[in-house]
Amino acid sequence: DQQVKQNSPSLSVQEGRISILNCDYTNSMFDYFLWYKKYPAEGPTFLISISSIKDKNEDGRFTVFLNKSAKHLSLHIVPSQPGDSAVYFCAASTGNQFYFGTGTSLTVIP
Amino acid sequence: SQTIHQWPATLVQPVGSPLSLECTVEGTSNPNLYWYRQAAGRGLQLLFYSVGIGQISSEVPQNLSASRPQDRQFILSSKKLLLSDSGFYLCAWSQDRGRGYTFGSGTRLTVV
Repeated sequence: DQQVKQNSPSLSVQEGRISILNCDYTNSMFDYFLWYKKYPAEGPTFLISISSIKDKNEDGRFTVFLNKSAKHLSLHIVPSQPGDSAVYFCAASTGNQFYFGTGTSLTVIP
Repeated sequence: SQTIHQWPATLVQPVGSPLSLECTVEGTSNPNLYWYRQAAGRGLQLLFYSVGIGQISSEVPQNLSASRPQDRQFILSSKKLLLSDSGFYLCAWSQDRGRGYTFGSGTRLTVV
């Protein structure tokens, strides 16, 4: 049972434009949400997180939005850069365990 | 500072052979440790997690097992590998919940 879903397996964006990656979840008990970035043959690295008491968290070019009523999470990257090309995983947590989505492969075209 | 080491980076093993992947964490004590697998075209699947020495929880029935012989050591094993065991295996430990997991660099396992 996939509790965290990323319905877009891939996304292509022109350099300098906004990248929007989406994530949906089913468990209303999730109270922490994270985004990870993963390059091929490497482990995922933490990018940004948000707790359920907030609806927005910003860190430089990266902003995460949380819509609890819709059970929806999104990551905005502005402006997108070629180095942002990677697979992005969203994850949600209740307790110490995180549940991951299937990932979205982002390609930023120079 | 905390670091996580995972080896080997790549491994090619014949079907039916045993497997042992090792993961160690430095700079912390009593970490929660995890083994994940990323199969081709799929997301990250939790295989095992451990909250302490000798304490292993399995998330999915499979051909693999895990052990935690020491506080900061987590081992993934198999007695006889199957073709379907091929994938990218990741060890992780959890920090505070706001930062989620720190992952190792992964092991690419190919069973031939």
